[in-house]
Amino acid sequence: KNEVEQSPQNLTAQEGEFITINCSYSVGISALHWLQQHPGGGIVSLFMLSSGKKKHGRLIATINIQEKHSSLHITASHPRDSAVYICAVRSKDNYGQNFVFGPGTRLSVLP
Amino acid sequence: DTEVTQTPKHLVMGMTNKKSLKCEQHMGHRAMYWYKQKAKKPPELMFVYSYEKLSINESVPSRFSPECPNSSLLNLHLHALQPEDSALYLCASSPGGGGRRGYGYTFGSGTRLTVV
Repeated sequence: KNEVEQSPQNLTAQEGEFITINCSYSVGISALHWLQQHPGGGIVSLFMLSSGKKKHGRLIATINIQEKHSSLHITASHPRDSAVYICAVRSKDNYGQNFVFGPGTRLSVLP
Repeated sequence: DTEVTQTPKHLVMGMTNKKSLKCEQHMGHRAMYWYKQKAKKPPELMFVYSYEKLSINESVPSRFSPECPNSSLLNLHLHALQPEDSALYLCASSPGGGGRRGYGYTFGSGTRLTVV
């Protein structure tokens, strides 16, 4: 069993739809990150969470530490949101120096 | 400056070549990382430098040689690579110190390496 799992693996949505991507993890963490990677591109950190909820523009991220679960929501999705969204956790071990990455969710938003 | 800058963006090299990838940040971060990412896979950690000292080497072959000349610069020296080493190489930095600190973890845009 992978330490970090995401669902769905692939997601196609119509422009304007509300999107949810889920992440569950099995290790103790110091922080959870949501990352965005466009095709062939580098990685952008969207959120870092250790508790609760954060909002930035049309993006909302939540985390439930007790349930070891996090969600990334995109409201009013747009084709430019098409990317791979990666959940990554910083383990409490090894002083949280490195990430454990989820497999990613490939999102395509159609016009 | 809140960026991690990687150069070159693209590199094609032969199996007998020696080349270097460069990563630079001026955010005062004291931890820097090299990741390797194959197509449609999450990044895999290669090396971590903490306060300019190599703290993690994830059993990377010796044909990859990291170097951290100062706190702002991280190099990855490449020699005698194989075609299967073709990948996107990502650099990242963070404030350092680990623990609950996660803010400021920043990735570069990567170097796409092709070994022919």
